[in-house]
Amino acid sequence: DAGVTQSPTHLIKTRGQHVTLRCSPISGHKSVSWYQQVLGQGPQFIFQYYEKEERGRGNFPDRFSARQFPNYSSELNVNALLLGDSALYLCASSLMDAANYGYTFGSGTRLTVV
Amino acid sequence: KQEVTQIPAALSVPEGENLVLNCSFTDSAIYNLQWFRQDPGKGLTSLLLIQSSQREQTSGRLNASLDKSSGRSTLYIAASQPGDSATYLCAVVGTSGTYKYIFGTGTRLKVLA
Repeated sequence: DAGVTQSPTHLIKTRGQHVTLRCSPISGHKSVSWYQQVLGQGPQFIFQYYEKEERGRGNFPDRFSARQFPNYSSELNVNALLLGDSALYLCASSLMDAANYGYTFGSGTRLTVV
Repeated sequence: KQEVTQIPAALSVPEGENLVLNCSFTDSAIYNLQWFRQDPGKGLTSLLLIQSSQREQTSGRLNASLDKSSGRSTLYIAASQPGDSATYLCAVVGTSGTYKYIFGTGTRLKVLA
């Protein structure tokens, strides 16, 4: 069984540009969440989607947006990139809600903004 | 507001030692607690998931305990090996609002051969 798949694995962007990160959950998983991990810190919650609806948003500016598609895959979009957006972006999927099943994380996308 | 703290921040031990990593959280209203392993520059690998009604979980040389009332969890690693070197993160899911994980900052473990 394939795990959580994220693409691309690495990305370099210039300040002010836009970026789209992609995530494919484990087959059958309907919940997808996004986290940002800055070097030396624990991951910070950005978004959660369940059945294509936004179920939660963390303390991130409106430059960050996401969506979930009918096949449960997801995209994270970041506009007007800042140097501080450089981080490892992690996608996690769960069968339903995390209370019973926990999350499985992907390997992440390393974004560098220059 | 839930806060998760992990002590120590870094740990270096000789191979073969048994060790304990600590995780504390400020709000005991949680659904579950999960321990993860992270190798440098990589994603998170789930180690153990403890539901709020459980006291402990075991997998191989790993044992995690949960004391919800005191807001504490420990991860016990038996007979440590150099391959155990990684950062260990704990995370909790609260019972209010979104099913989001609140993570600690991790314990960076180095096991010396």
